[in-house]
Amino acid sequence: GAVVSQHPSRVICKSGTSVKIECRSLDFQATTMFWYRQFPKQSLMLMATSNEGSKATYEQGVEKDKFLINHASLTLSTLTVTSAHPEDSSFYICSARVTGLGNEQYFGPGTRLTVT
Amino acid sequence: AQKVTQAQTEISVVEKEDVTLDCVYETRDTTYYLFWYKQPPSGELVFLIRRNSFDEQNEISGRYSWNFQKSTSSFNFTITASQVVDSAVYFCALSERLGSGTYKYIFGTGTRLKVLA
Repeated sequence: GAVVSQHPSRVICKSGTSVKIECRSLDFQATTMFWYRQFPKQSLMLMATSNEGSKATYEQGVEKDKFLINHASLTLSTLTVTSAHPEDSSFYICSARVTGLGNEQYFGPGTRLTVT
Repeated sequence: AQKVTQAQTEISVVEKEDVTLDCVYETRDTTYYLFWYKQPPSGELVFLIRRNSFDEQNEISGRYSWNFQKSTSSFNFTITASQVVDSAVYFCALSERLGSGTYKYIFGTGTRLKVLA
């Protein structure tokens, strides 16, 4: 149980274009999902907390207009990187918290974004 | 402020050796959760264990064991008889309760474990 999927797993896009990453909880409902960014050989950096039906809460320093998050249902959250630049190239990971349990988060497999 | 410190950046051991990964945390909360995750080269984080602040019992799961000591704010992870498949980055995390009632993680910087055949 508690499986989280992400799509796509890998994407290459050109500078200036937008990319959407989907995060789905497959076998449970997730009122809260999280989006992280991870640079090579570094830890996970929380970008935003996404609650179903409401606006995402962004961490300090994360541009909300650049990283658009939508959590339209209890099983789907999306992250759209708008007007991507090479410095946005990174590994993006989503997670979902299983409501009612001990607050552990289950992570998706990640999406590797390369902006050329 | 909440903080998680994993002082060991990288550890190399020979297969079958035991290895302990250290995790030290700081929090002002009286109720909190601690976690360990494994990130193999594929990138997906794998949940290993959750421990709440009221449960100081040590736990063993196969070759894995965890030692939680509130007195030293530590939550160390030991792999017994390590195997090459244990090679990964291991993250310790502390949950922080937000005002909205939800929780977010504070991650340590991770320890890269290399198990050599």
